[in-house]
This record gives sequence, C-alpha cells and structure tokens, in this order.
Amino acid sequence: NAGVMQNPRHLVRRRGQEARLRCSPMKGHSHVYWYRQLPEEGLKFMVYLQKENIIDESGMPKERFSAEFPKEGPSILRIQQVVRGDSAAYFCASSQIRRTSRTGELFFGEGSRLTVL
Amino acid sequence: AQRVTQPEKLLSVFKGAPVELKCNYSYSGSPELFWYVQYSRQRLQLLLRHISRESIKGFTADLNKGETSFHLKKPFAQEEDSAMYYCALDSNTGANSKLTFGKGITLSVRP
Repeated sequence: NAGVMQNPRHLVRRRGQEARLRCSPMKGHSHVYWYRQLPEEGLKFMVYLQKENIIDESGMPKERFSAEFPKEGPSILRIQQVVRGDSAAYFCASSQIRRTSRTGELFFGEGSRLTVL
Repeated sequence: AQRVTQPEKLLSVFKGAPVELKCNYSYSGSPELFWYVQYSRQRLQLLLRHISRESIKGFTADLNKGETSFHLKKPFAQEEDSAMYYCALDSNTGANSKLTFGKGITLSVRP
C-alpha cells in the first residue's frame, strides 16, 4: 500500500493563475481531508469529503477555493486566481472509520507546497 | 469553538533527560485527543491517542479533564525522538470526524 499520494509535491504559480492539487487516498479509504499549513502555523482544517460528497467545508475560504472527490479518481483541491497569501503547504489525509472508534486514524500524504509569485 | 494550544515552539534537551510537551485544549464536549509526530523527511503520522491508554516509543499522555490538558511525556529522551509533534483534538460527535491541530512543537534531543 503506497499510502496517501499527493501531487504535485511543489507547485509554483503566478498571481491570478489557478492551482490544482491532487490527492489519492489509501486503498480502501473513502474519507479525505484537506489541511493547510501556513508558515509558522499549525495545520488548519479545510474540508472533509467522501466519495462524491462534501461533508464539512467549514474551513474553506468562501471564495476561490473548491474541492471535490469524484467517484473515480483522486480528490482535487482547486484554488482559482491565486494570491500570495495562498502560499502554503497543503496536506491531504485519508481515513477509514471503524465501528469501534469514533475517530478513524488519519493517514497523511507528504503535502503539496504551493508558492505564489 | 474548539482550540488546541501548544504554548512552546521548541524544546531542546539532552539525551536521557525527561521530556514533557505541553498541550491544552478548549472543547465543550467530550474530547478525543491525539499526538501526531513528523520525523525529518517523513509524513505526519499518529503517535498515540488518549482513548487507547498506550505507551508508544516510551511516550505516554494522560488526559486531564480538570486542567484540560493532554501533555506528552517521556522519562528518558533519545536522539531519534527529535521531530515535530502536534497535539490534535477530535471535535465532532458523530461519525464524521475532523481533527483540530495545535501549532506543533519541535523537539530536539542532543547527544
């Protein structure tokens, strides 16, 4: 099992361009979470998705950010018209909720580092 | 609102010294707390969860509801413990869980 795969690992964009970050969860996991880590900050929850459904997007900025997890293929975090403040590390995690535990352990990817020039 | 506070950014100790990484939380419900660790050039991974009451790599953490704390402790630090440590809180009551993380602390264990 290759674990949670994120790509690209590094992405450079100019202001106004679009950034697309991809996340393939661990095999058998149907829950995907996106987190953002700004410099000198902790991990901030952005969105929680299951296949074809957004369950909780309370951490997503109101504009320019969107996420999806289609029936086939990876989860995508999309940032339109990027600004310098979007520069951060974006981490994806997946989990398999077990009946005996309210919280499934989160398995993290290595992150995608976005730099906006 | 749920909040996790890790008051220190860096803790530097010598090998063999005791370690305590502080974590305080704010949550109105019944919390479920975790410590995650990120070793150099590795991905973030679960170290331990309070509900399991286990010791992993010599680390333990006790949930103190009175003090709303979940400090991570190890009696004798090893060089391989050097890493970034994050305290996290499960803030949903249903099956759809999400974790709220603290800012993390860097533990440096010197030889």
